[in-house]
Amino acid sequence: AQSVSQHNHHVILSEAASLELGCNYSYGGTVNLFWYVQYPGQHLQLLLKFFSGDPLVKGIKGFEAEFIKSKFSFNLRKPSVQWSDTAEYFCAVISNSGYALNFGKGTSLLVTP
Amino acid sequence: NAGVTQTPKFRILKIGQSMTLQCAQDMNHNYMYWYRQDPGMGLKLIYYSVGAGITDKGEVPNGYNVSRSTTEDFPLRLELAAPSQTSVYFCASSSEGLAPYEQYFGPGTRLTVT
Repeated sequence: AQSVSQHNHHVILSEAASLELGCNYSYGGTVNLFWYVQYPGQHLQLLLKFFSGDPLVKGIKGFEAEFIKSKFSFNLRKPSVQWSDTAEYFCAVISNSGYALNFGKGTSLLVTP
Repeated sequence: NAGVTQTPKFRILKIGQSMTLQCAQDMNHNYMYWYRQDPGMGLKLIYYSVGAGITDKGEVPNGYNVSRSTTEDFPLRLELAAPSQTSVYFCASSSEGLAPYEQYFGPGTRLTVT
């Protein structure tokens, strides 16, 4: 069955610490990968996406993610987090033949001053 | 562009009541979706539509109905509200292309059924 796994459900970091959130997927065929962010009380916003090409993708607000096909992974990284990065982060996958996103359960990130 | 809009933002229903969650988009997107978000569970697809007059079930369609009479609107109907339908509901849309990749989300409707 197709699935998306996010390994860290809750992460607490101090400001300026580095961040890496894991995402693994189980899909056959070509996939398209996304990271969405949901700030407290707000709707989902796209952080970055990978369709093809350079597997290292840069998104908004200093985030990046690396697609490693052999590991079925699409981990999100940021070298130095800020308090304003406190949010919930969702990894999502859609296959080339699919219509809808398949979301992971999300990772809640709390950045302390 | 307003993007994807949803009304209402909040609603409390009694068990057995019915209601319609409204969703509209002004980006001329063919694809529209309804998700529900429960704590610790991510987002689950309820229904989706690939164009006016065409809808299909997602992962968790039971207890819901949809219609798509226009490109812009995609309402979600709850006929007999149950406590299990307490959730946050998000509508999304995406453009037609090689595949409906990037989805744009509305602000959500927080529904409580008591």
